Amino acid sequence: QQPVQSPQAVILREGEDAVINCSSSKALYSVHWYRQKHGEAPVFLMILLKGGEQKGHDKISASFNEKKQQSSLYLTASQLSYSGTYFCGINPELSAGGTSYGKLTFGQGTILTVHP
Amino acid sequence: KAGVTQTPRYLIKTRGQQVTLSCSPISGHRSVSWYQQTPGQGLQFLFEYFSETQRNKGNFPGRFSGRQFSNSRSEMNVSTLELGDSALYLCASRVAGGYSPLHFGNGTRLTVT
Repeated sequence: QQPVQSPQAVILREGEDAVINCSSSKALYSVHWYRQKHGEAPVFLMILLKGGEQKGHDKISASFNEKKQQSSLYLTASQLSYSGTYFCGINPELSAGGTSYGKLTFGQGTILTVHP
Repeated sequence: KAGVTQTPRYLIKTRGQQVTLSCSPISGHRSVSWYQQTPGQGLQFLFEYFSETQRNKGNFPGRFSGRQFSNSRSEMNVSTLELGDSALYLCASRVAGGYSPLHFGNGTRLTVT
């Protein structure tokens, strides 16, 4: 099943913060976050693994709540360059012997617009 | 390092025709995945190849097929094109082994008329 992202769209002024959530109905092993600007390829932001630590670089960080089967992406002090569509991609937890490393199921995306 | 290269960037085909898309992964990346992106369905997984073997397949009809060569380059083929096949086809490569990030190419925009 496709993970559900919320909100679907968000509009910010430069310097404001935002949180994007990604919820799954399945137990998760990993969650990837990507940003795609119009007409460009999705760009990897970060990956979170079950049992791993919260990740982050610069002013973008993410968390992974295994019990809730949910990940959240935090964008603080947003910049114009943060505008784009954010996707979460999930790998479900598999039984022993399964492999699905390159097979991600993506959410529908969250459109983030940052205005000056 | 050069990124993932996809050719061609744009294609216009007619219903019933077939098409082949090409993907050159980042040097050293042995896994290649293909995704279809449409406004209605979003990003959907097509298949993944590693060491010239298909490791995973998405829920697409048999008209969609692919292969990987010994140099890790990959091709994707769609036969008997339908209007609904119009989409952006994205190739992504990654370092094999474990949960590593996908590195996407700029895609091939296929339009079926």
